[in-house]
Amino acid sequence: AQSVTQPDIHITVSEGASLELRCNYSYGATPYLFWYVQSPGQGLQLLLKYFSGDTLVQGIKGFEAEFKRSQSSFNLRKPSVHWSDAAEYFCAVGSPGGYQKVTFGTGTKLQVIP
Amino acid sequence: EAGVAQSPRYKIIEKRQSVAFWCNPISGHATLYWYQQILGQGPKLLIQFQNNGVVDDSQLPKDRFSAERLKGVDSTLKIQPAKLEDSAVYLCASSLVTTEYGYTFGSGTRLTVV
Repeated sequence: AQSVTQPDIHITVSEGASLELRCNYSYGATPYLFWYVQSPGQGLQLLLKYFSGDTLVQGIKGFEAEFKRSQSSFNLRKPSVHWSDAAEYFCAVGSPGGYQKVTFGTGTKLQVIP
Repeated sequence: EAGVAQSPRYKIIEKRQSVAFWCNPISGHATLYWYQQILGQGPKLLIQFQNNGVVDDSQLPKDRFSAERLKGVDSTLKIQPAKLEDSAVYLCASSLVTTEYGYTFGSGTRLTVV
């Protein structure tokens, strides 16, 4: 069965600092991978996705993520964090083919301090 | 394009009462999902529809939860009778037939069972 682990429940960074959120997945082949962001009281918004090709993926709001097959990881990065980036971030893994099932991690809550 | 519409936004009920949530997906999206998101956790898939057929309901507590998508467009999720542990945000999402483009989520319905 596919699964996702986000080891950091809560992260605090200073505005302007760089950010890396960790995500490890478990899946037998190359999965579809996603990062979503959820602001308080809102639904989830897709930041970026990977399903093939270049392992460095660019997303919206200046985010990027790198797929590393050898480490079963898909970490999310941003070079300079803005106060508006404070939110909860979810990594998700999907199974290609057929009726795809997407499984979400437990999320990492990002706090940005001035 | 219009997003995924959900109603109501908030609902407070007493345990053992019944409640229903409504979702209207993005036009043309064949696949519709209901997720349950308990506070502090990632979204958990309850049921997945492909047009008006159920693809996956393995995590739906069928003794109290039911869902339908009669005409392959909008959907209703019902809980009867509700328990305290059903307090959560219920998220509806839709996607094209395949998920490599990710889901589009609605804003969710926050249910509080007292």
